[in-house]
Parts: sequence; structure tokens; C-alpha cells
Amino acid sequence: KNEVEQSPQNLTAQEGEFITINCSYSVGISALHWLQQHPGGGIVSLFMLSSGKKKHGRLIATINIQEKHSSLHITASHPRDSAVYICAGFYGGSQGNLIFGKGTKLSVKP
Amino acid sequence: ETGVTQTPRHLVMGMTNKKSLKCEQHLGHNAMYWYKQSAKKPLELMFVYNFKEQTENNSVPSRFSPECPNSSHLFLHLHTLQPEDSALYLCASSQARGGNTIYFGEGSWLTVV
Repeated sequence: KNEVEQSPQNLTAQEGEFITINCSYSVGISALHWLQQHPGGGIVSLFMLSSGKKKHGRLIATINIQEKHSSLHITASHPRDSAVYICAGFYGGSQGNLIFGKGTKLSVKP
Repeated sequence: ETGVTQTPRHLVMGMTNKKSLKCEQHLGHNAMYWYKQSAKKPLELMFVYNFKEQTENNSVPSRFSPECPNSSHLFLHLHTLQPEDSALYLCASSQARGGNTIYFGEGSWLTVV
């Protein structure tokens, strides 16, 4: 069964802290997505990666294929980073689908 | 602004009503999706359309009926829903089906009373 597990489920941080959200998945993914969902409901794609590391501003995503694990890091966190962060694995090739984790709810306090 | 627009943003309907959700994308994408997000659950895929053809129906009850008249528009027709169908319904698109970056709309919050 294809699964994606995230931890922690909830995370509270003080402004400026370094944040890490973890994602583990079962074998067979061809790509790993990190998404951000704000309280209004809309979802924004942050990263899609299949190996190594990607950086965009204060966000860094890494993936370790051998360990079937990915992390999303936020440096110098800010209250506007408060959102739900969702990890999703793409399984199944050209006719495949995304399997989503349950999300990590991040709250950054000023 | 992701280039995927959903209307309405909020909808309250009775169990005997018929309503529709609309999705439009201006990205030139060929694949479009409907997802359901219930409280405390991961997103669940409902339907996939690729080049206007339905390529996946994820065992969705027939009270949900999708329609894709062209590659830019996707509808979800709702009929005789149940209270447990109350959820956030998200439309998404990607260049093609198969692992590309996916772009989501803002979602339609549906409450069935």
C-alpha cells in the first residue's frame, strides 16, 4: 500500500526559529511534493523533487531516496509562514496519482 | 493567484438540491482534477481528466457527476448529497498527468444541510 506519513501533526514555534517538518513514504514514488495550505483553503505548490535538495527563499526541501524520507525546513520563521504543510508522493508513472499526507499545522508566534 | 479559479467559494445546499461547482484554469494545462478534503483527513482524489477525457473515477458515488467540456473548464455537478459530503472541494490542474507540478484552486467549501 502506498503511504505518506508526516510528523509532527502540529507545530508551534516562535518567530525566528528554524523549523523542520518530516515526511516518510513507501517505495515506488517518482517525485515528492511539498504543498502549503492557508486557512482559506487554497493550496500552493512549494517544491517538487526526486533527489537531492531544493531551496526557494527561506524554504529548503531535501529528500533521501535510500531512507525514503523528505524534510521541509523553514529558516528564520515568520508568522506569515503559519499554514498547513502537506507532503505528497507521486506513485504510478504516467497514469499515476498523488498520495497525500495528513499535513502538519504550523503556527509561528510573534 | 495560481491560475486556477473555482466558484463558488462557499456553498450551502439542502439534500434535495442540485448545484454545480465550477473550475477554470488559464495555464494551458491538459490534466484537471477534483479532490475532496474532509476534516482531519488527507486529500482524496475524486476524478481525473486528461485532454478532456475522464481517465479516473476513484469510486466516487454517482451523486457527484463531473463534466469537462474543454481543457480549460471542469465542473462538478452535485445532486442529492448527504451531510457527510460536506467538505472542501479542490480543483487542480497540471501540464499533463504524470508527476508534473500541480496547481490548485482556492477550493469550494460545501455544506450539506
